[in-house]
Amino acid sequence: QVTLKESGPGMLQPSKTLSLTCSFSGFSLSTSGMVVSWIRQPSGKSLEWLAAIDWDGDKYYNPSLKSRLTVSKDTSNTQVFLKITSVDIADTATYYCARSRTGFDYWGQGVMVTVSS
Amino acid sequence: DIVMTQTPSSQAVSAGEKVTMSCKSSQSLLYSENKKNYLAWYQQKPGQSPKLLISWASTRESGVPDRFIGSGSGTDFTLTISSVQAEDLAVYYCEQYYDTPWTFGGGTKLELK
Repeated sequence: QVTLKESGPGMLQPSKTLSLTCSFSGFSLSTSGMVVSWIRQPSGKSLEWLAAIDWDGDKYYNPSLKSRLTVSKDTSNTQVFLKITSVDIADTATYYCARSRTGFDYWGQGVMVTVSS
Repeated sequence: DIVMTQTPSSQAVSAGEKVTMSCKSSQSLLYSENKKNYLAWYQQKPGQSPKLLISWASTRESGVPDRFIGSGSGTDFTLTISSVQAEDLAVYYCEQYYDTPWTFGGGTKLELK
């Protein structure tokens, strides 16, 4: 059974760094072809893909945010991390991690992040 | 970036009605070497994560009812629900995985008439 779960701070102040963790089970990120992505969704709006990391450790970023994003994974291949630097109010959203194969076939429940002073 | 445009943005439907919604991409999603369209459809109900319904433009995921039909090729795609049920009221998104950055359409919201 594939599951993913995001965790994060809930709320943080503008200009801070947002750190998110995706903990998953039921698959191994070391399996060839496996990818885990981060996607976000502001309330009432559409989805925006942010970043991904694959089984080989290759990283992919949305150019619109690339300078602020860092994706990484742990050595046991059971967690993926995302850092977003210099957050502002526009980064307020629900953040999802999802397994990517042909599309995003498994999603976490999402973690709501509010940027507010 | 590949821009995904969905129409309509919302649609009022009655149970049992046939529904179609459109998704257009700014460039072809058809990969010539394998003749596959790198297009997925998702359903998102209020308060829930998106759920993958269809990949490769027309391949239903396991467990997805056969009333959900994906079609199209190149730059023009359609999601049809042959007979809408109450549980189908949701927002539907298309997404291209042809090239990064992977991008989503703005969504089509199905509402009750």
